[in-house]
Amino acid sequence: TQLLEQSPQFLSIQEGENLTVYCNSSSVFSSLQWYRQEPGEGPVLLVTVVTGGEVKKLKRLTFQFGDARKDSSLHITAAQTGDTGLYLCAGVVNAGNMLTFGGGTRLMVKP
Amino acid sequence: NAGVTQTPKFQVLKTGQSMTLQCAQDMNHNSMYWYRQDPGMGLRLIYYSASEGTTDKGEVPNGYNVSRLNKREFSLRLESAAPSQTSVYFCASRPRTGYSPLHFGNGTRLTVT
Repeated sequence: TQLLEQSPQFLSIQEGENLTVYCNSSSVFSSLQWYRQEPGEGPVLLVTVVTGGEVKKLKRLTFQFGDARKDSSLHITAAQTGDTGLYLCAGVVNAGNMLTFGGGTRLMVKP
Repeated sequence: NAGVTQTPKFQVLKTGQSMTLQCAQDMNHNSMYWYRQDPGMGLRLIYYSASEGTTDKGEVPNGYNVSRLNKREFSLRLESAAPSQTSVYFCASRPRTGYSPLHFGNGTRLTVT
């Protein structure tokens, strides 16, 4: 059982549609990060959220950290084919050194 | 800047063989990590090193050992490889604990037959 549960596991949508990916846990995290991974490469950081209730925007991507710091969401507006990839959330408990990942959401955006 | 460099990129082992995966970073980062990623899944933490001279177990340490050789290098050893260890292994580093992001290498694809 993973500390962080992501949903959905797979998502296939048409270009121009909106989508939301969720990252949930029963644990409280001192911070939570979102990464994007393309085939054959390591994950690359998109954003870090630290404060409960925090909302961060990165162009068409909106990230939210839950008030209780146990969950987070990633919303993509007007998806593009370039958004295709594996989206991963990762969290740190108690400001420690151990950074654990969720199972990932594989997104495919079709033209 | 090379960033995080992993060698080898690909490896095929027979069951019972041993090997060491190498990782080096040139960003003067304190913390280094080893993850494995099975097909279509997220990353699971094997071992990490918060700073030179320290190592700690992650979520799935069984069957692995690590060495933090110096600040730059963090190696992962499989003493007796098993088919269940077939996976893609990623090394990552970050400058300090807390909120700093991980910087990943491009992975080592390992197949154990």
